[in-house]
Amino acid sequence: AQTVTQSQPEMSVQEAETVTLSCTYDTSENNYYLFWYKQPPSRQMILVIRQEAYKQQNATENRFSVNFQKAAKSFSLKISDSQLGDTAMYFCAFGMNTGNQFYFGTGTSLTVIP
Amino acid sequence: NAGVTQTPKFQVLKTGQSMTLQCAQDMNHEYMSWYRQDPGMGLRLIHYSVGAGITDQGEVPNGYNVSRSTTEDFPLRLLSAAPSQTSVYFCASRPTGANYGYTFGSGTRLTVV
Repeated sequence: AQTVTQSQPEMSVQEAETVTLSCTYDTSENNYYLFWYKQPPSRQMILVIRQEAYKQQNATENRFSVNFQKAAKSFSLKISDSQLGDTAMYFCAFGMNTGNQFYFGTGTSLTVIP
Repeated sequence: NAGVTQTPKFQVLKTGQSMTLQCAQDMNHEYMSWYRQDPGMGLRLIHYSVGAGITDQGEVPNGYNVSRSTTEDFPLRLLSAAPSQTSVYFCASRPTGANYGYTFGSGTRLTVV
């Protein structure tokens, strides 16, 4: 089975600064997808960014970008120019087309400090 | 708006009671799943379905039943509620391709007393 590890239970960042959330995963597969989800206090799970494992180029979505290191099985999320609305729980997730293999990490609680 | 609709948003049950959490999606997604979220444990898969008439167990299926009679609906039944089932429950759906990721409902906070 695949595993997803988020080793930082809580983090904080000053408004307008940059923060990086870490995620590592374990798999023997070659074709898979990685995701970061945001869960604000409203509880809604929101897809922030996705990365296909076969693509070498790191995905970016506005202020959000990833550092995907396939050999190291690392998938970190960088949030630039942090805003108060970025305060949320962030989940890293791993997915495959085979069966319903979709796994989540335990989450990192991010607080943006004014 | 298209998406995943979950009801109810909050529920309090007494130990031993049964109930059904409703989930419906209007995106014609083949895959639907139920997760529970507990502090420090992330999201754990309860049951999932890869299409109408097909369901399977996830990581923590005990105490829960599901059925998938239509593409749109995927209800989760708690047979005899226990305090250990106090949690936040999410229904999610996605197309066959995992690259799209899951779209989630707004969650149900369930408390069993």
